[in-house]
Amino acid sequence: AQSVTQPDIHITVSEGASLELRCNYSYGATPYLFWYVQSPGQGLQLLLKYFSGDTLVQGIKGFEAEFKRSQSSFNLRKPSVHWSDAAEYFCAVISGGYNKLIFGAGTRLAVHP
Amino acid sequence: GAVVSQHPSWVICKSGTSVKIECRSLDFQATTMFWYRQFPKQSLMLMATSNEGSKATYEQGVEKDKFLINHASLTLSTLTVTSAHPEDSSFYICSARGQGRQETQYFGPGTRLLVL
Repeated sequence: AQSVTQPDIHITVSEGASLELRCNYSYGATPYLFWYVQSPGQGLQLLLKYFSGDTLVQGIKGFEAEFKRSQSSFNLRKPSVHWSDAAEYFCAVISGGYNKLIFGAGTRLAVHP
Repeated sequence: GAVVSQHPSWVICKSGTSVKIECRSLDFQATTMFWYRQFPKQSLMLMATSNEGSKATYEQGVEKDKFLINHASLTLSTLTVTSAHPEDSSFYICSARGQGRQETQYFGPGTRLLVL
């Protein structure tokens, strides 16, 4: 069965520091991978997605992610974090048939001034 | 582009009443819409998938008579929580996927339901 693991439940970084959020997936076929961000009390906003091609994907708000098939990973990165980046981040993979999104448990990011 | 709205954004109701939540795709036609439920500090739990003009497909453990889903048009899906009870209090989020956007779901802002 497909699954997504986000090993870090909570991460705290200082403003201006670099960030990497980890995501590992379990999926037999070529995965379609997503990162979403959720601010408190809000819906989810798509940061970026990977379907095929270049394994380094650029997203909105200065985020990028790299697909590594050998490690079954799709880690999210940002070189310099802003206080407004504090939110919950979800990694997700599409299951077969372009149907269901399988979400990870989420990583809550706190940013210290 | 790819904007999804939900209405209302929050609702308080008495136990035993029914509540309807609307999900609209504003700038694209949504052939498929999804309804999720999210408990505090948890991930999203898929409740059901609805395709325009068809009956919704419910996930295991979700009561279809309790959570009525209608997807009558390509821009509107509704979730009705019937005979709501306090345990139905939650954050409900919809998402929509359109023609030509087979893989990407765009999410609404969510509806917070509190049943007293």
